[in-house]
Amino acid sequence: DIQMTQSPSTLSASVGDRVTITCRASQSISNWLAWYQQKPGKAPKLLIYDASNLESGVPSRFSGSGSGTEFTLTISSLQPDDFATYHCQHYKNYPRTFGQGTKVEI
Amino acid sequence: EVQLVESGGGLVQPGGSLKLSCAASGFTFSSYWMNWVRQAPGKGLEWVANIKHDGSERYYVDSVKGRFYISRDNARNSLFLQINSLRAEDAAVYYCARDPNPGSLWPYYFDYWGQGTLLTVSS
Repeated sequence: DIQMTQSPSTLSASVGDRVTITCRASQSISNWLAWYQQKPGKAPKLLIYDASNLESGVPSRFSGSGSGTEFTLTISSLQPDDFATYHCQHYKNYPRTFGQGTKVEI
Repeated sequence: EVQLVESGGGLVQPGGSLKLSCAASGFTFSSYWMNWVRQAPGKGLEWVANIKHDGSERYYVDSVKGRFYISRDNARNSLFLQINSLRAEDAAVYYCARDPNPGSLWPYYFDYWGQGTLLTVSS
């Protein structure tokens, strides 16, 4: 199975900060990577697919990059609505696996 | 508007069985791969199973193979997950999630999710 490792597990930031979350795959997954945002008690929401494509309706302050084994999710200017947990997920093969999540807190 | 509404969760004893359902609306259900993803309390997300749009292919995570069975009824726009031989580690919120590409031969990520249904396993 491909293991996905996110860092950091928790990130403390302020409104307006530039935030970067890293996701590493245990083997190459090309660009078969998605990022999701999840708020407490809610379902995850798709932000980025194919490593760098912004899902329709997602603010442009979110961006994704990377290929192979190392990927990043960047929030260019953190907004109050962005405090949440972020998950990466590969879809190169089975089983699809997620990172453990990164909580962005105030 | 795409909607996915899960139901069927509840309290079940270890070793018991349960069937989860997901009612889909707002899209051509019969054209999409569909998935179940779970999240144990305070934990990360775990993909559980998926099924091709015509039901001809099914895939499972190893930890549920032989115990869980995913199915669909395209005439009723519904997805199901039959869960047998329940274990404590199966306790989670179970989400129904859609693959983004209609008619795809291979599934990808998840573009729409339901609100989840909670399965509690306890004696």
